[in-house]
Amino acid sequence: EPEVTQTPSHQVTQMGQEVILRCVPISNHLYFYWYRQILGQKVEFLVSFYNNEISEKSEIFDDQFSVERPDGSNFTLKIRSTKLEDSAMYFCASREVTNEKLFFGSGTQLSVL
Amino acid sequence: AQSVTQPDIHITVSEGASLELRCNYSYGATPYLFWYVQSPGQGLQLLLKYFSGDTLVQGIKGFEAEFKRSQSSFNLRKPSVHWSDAAEYFCAVGAWDYKLSFGAGTTVTVRA
Repeated sequence: EPEVTQTPSHQVTQMGQEVILRCVPISNHLYFYWYRQILGQKVEFLVSFYNNEISEKSEIFDDQFSVERPDGSNFTLKIRSTKLEDSAMYFCASREVTNEKLFFGSGTQLSVL
Repeated sequence: AQSVTQPDIHITVSEGASLELRCNYSYGATPYLFWYVQSPGQGLQLLLKYFSGDTLVQGIKGFEAEFKRSQSSFNLRKPSVHWSDAAEYFCAVGAWDYKLSFGAGTTVTVRA
């Protein structure tokens, strides 16, 4: 089965630093998503992306967050100035236009110290 | 607002026994409903989904779920669990845009 790939699997950063989480969606997929799960809490929707622009974003996705598809294969989430409360597992997901199955990556565990 | 409640935080079941995981949702329109499974160190894998039609849906790994609109429920079942079914299970609700709301998850432990 095709896979969504996320790198790195773990990232540690200092508070106030910028961090970029990387994802390689499945090659023919056109809709992209970021979700996150703070330890002990629910998986939360952050943002969806289609046709090189944000389709929807949650209240969590404030000006500190941005997404980009810098080339034909990568999809990134940038946190401009990390806070302690940004520590979480971040999941990337993608789907085809017509396929109803949403594929998730294995996640990047971000720890902000 | 949409939300999902999974009342059981942790369930322990014997190998070969049946399993039922509960899910109740709140959604303003006809929901899209999903069950995902997460094994340690792995991503979220889709077990099954319901969009419309037959209210009993079959998924992978021998799982099925039944949509009951009157009870706002979408419970997951498996007739006979295997040790490899030990994992965390998430119910989610959303719409065509896949802006999903997840439940808190149910951890399933399988004892020999």
